[in-house]
Amino acid sequence: QKEVEQNSGPLSVPEGAIASLNCTYSDRGSQSFFWYRQYSGKSPELIMFIYSNGDKEDGRFTAQLNKASQYVSLLIRDSQPSDSATYLCAVNKGYSTLTFGKGTMLLVSP
Amino acid sequence: EAQVTQNPRYLITVTGKKLTVTCSQNMNHEYMSWYRQDPGLGLRQIYYSMNVEVTDKGDVPEGYKVSRKEKRNFPLILESPSPNQTSLYFCASSFTGLAGQETQYFGPGTRLLVL
Repeated sequence: QKEVEQNSGPLSVPEGAIASLNCTYSDRGSQSFFWYRQYSGKSPELIMFIYSNGDKEDGRFTAQLNKASQYVSLLIRDSQPSDSATYLCAVNKGYSTLTFGKGTMLLVSP
Repeated sequence: EAQVTQNPRYLITVTGKKLTVTCSQNMNHEYMSWYRQDPGLGLRQIYYSMNVEVTDKGDVPEGYKVSRKEKRNFPLILESPSPNQTSLYFCASSFTGLAGQETQYFGPGTRLLVL
């Protein structure tokens, strides 16, 4: 079983809709969880991190964590075409051991 | 401006010719890492460093070397590059937040082509 799994997509949503991105992880010892956004050819950009069960909101973004189910998600409300990118889920098990999923491509159509 | 810089941004070289990709951060972070990103394989960690003179292997260290003589710099060395090292490379530095979470910030990337 891969350590961090994401659907590769693409996930297509119309402008203004809610985009839901999902991620599962295999190591129950994982401590913190990150969502990065990456535009084609650019470096990953941190959007949010979460380390406690439940929801964490930041503007149009909400991260959700369920450690019992080993599941973390990212919701993007009022999706915009500029949100079109690849979203990387990353899991931190300790110092500098950040493991990434392969990413989900999101396409937001006008 | 807080940032991670990498040089060069683009590099074309030939098999066996030693090269170094530099990485520097101005945020006084203790932790630094190198990743490579390949289509279908995602981001994979090559090496990381927890502090000066402290380095360790990541998931794909074969064919690479690193050094950490100063806190701000973490160069990646390819002693004898091969075509399978053609990739997009990212350096990252990170700090541990109050809640114990480690937050990584990435450099702009170096695109390497080995002929």
